[in-house]
Amino acid sequence: DIVMTQTPLSLSVTPGQPASISCKSSQSLLYTDGKTYLYWYLQKSGQSPQLLLYEISKRPSGVPDRFSGSGSGTDFTLHISRVEAEDVGFYFCMHSVQVPPTFGQGTKLEIK
Amino acid sequence: QVQLEQAGAEMKRPGASVRLSCRSSGYIFTAYKIHWVRQAPGRGFEWMGGINPNSGSTGIAPRFKDRVTMTRDTSTSTVYLELRRLTVDDTAIYYCARGGEELLGHWGQGTPVTVS
Repeated sequence: DIVMTQTPLSLSVTPGQPASISCKSSQSLLYTDGKTYLYWYLQKSGQSPQLLLYEISKRPSGVPDRFSGSGSGTDFTLHISRVEAEDVGFYFCMHSVQVPPTFGQGTKLEIK
Repeated sequence: QVQLEQAGAEMKRPGASVRLSCRSSGYIFTAYKIHWVRQAPGRGFEWMGGINPNSGSTGIAPRFKDRVTMTRDTSTSTVYLELRRLTVDDTAIYYCARGGEELLGHWGQGTPVTVS
């Protein structure tokens, strides 16, 4: 199975400041169709996860544009341009380039 | 709007089986796979498998292949997950989530399963 490693495991950010979370995979997530199957999710306290980004950097409808993604191959980063209080929660990455899809261990974001 | 509705909490004894349900609404049921993901205390998320509601074909994670069955009922837009030979390590919240390009873009509210 592909191992997904996130860093940091926790971070505390002042509102209005930027934040970034790294996700590294043990194998390339570039598929033969040319797409890279890397996703980012946010789980707020007591809620089900929500999709933030798919295929590295594509935002589903309704996701604020302060969330963006970058990277390629095995190294990826989630960027939050200006953290807001509502961004508190656990962020995790996931791949689907092969079976089984696997998840990063999660990064807890807190507000200072 | 897209909704995935899951049944309430379950409590089971070791060795028993559990059958979980996930009812879809707000979209064409047969157009998207449904995946099952569990979140165990302190163990993160784990993908268990997925089902194509149109064909009924399934893809199950290797570690669950001998214990998991996924089925669907197109008349009620519901998919089911059966997990057999439960152990305490199966204690988790079990989520269903919709597939597609925006993979796991819509999640159910989760069903807590306690094995004790």
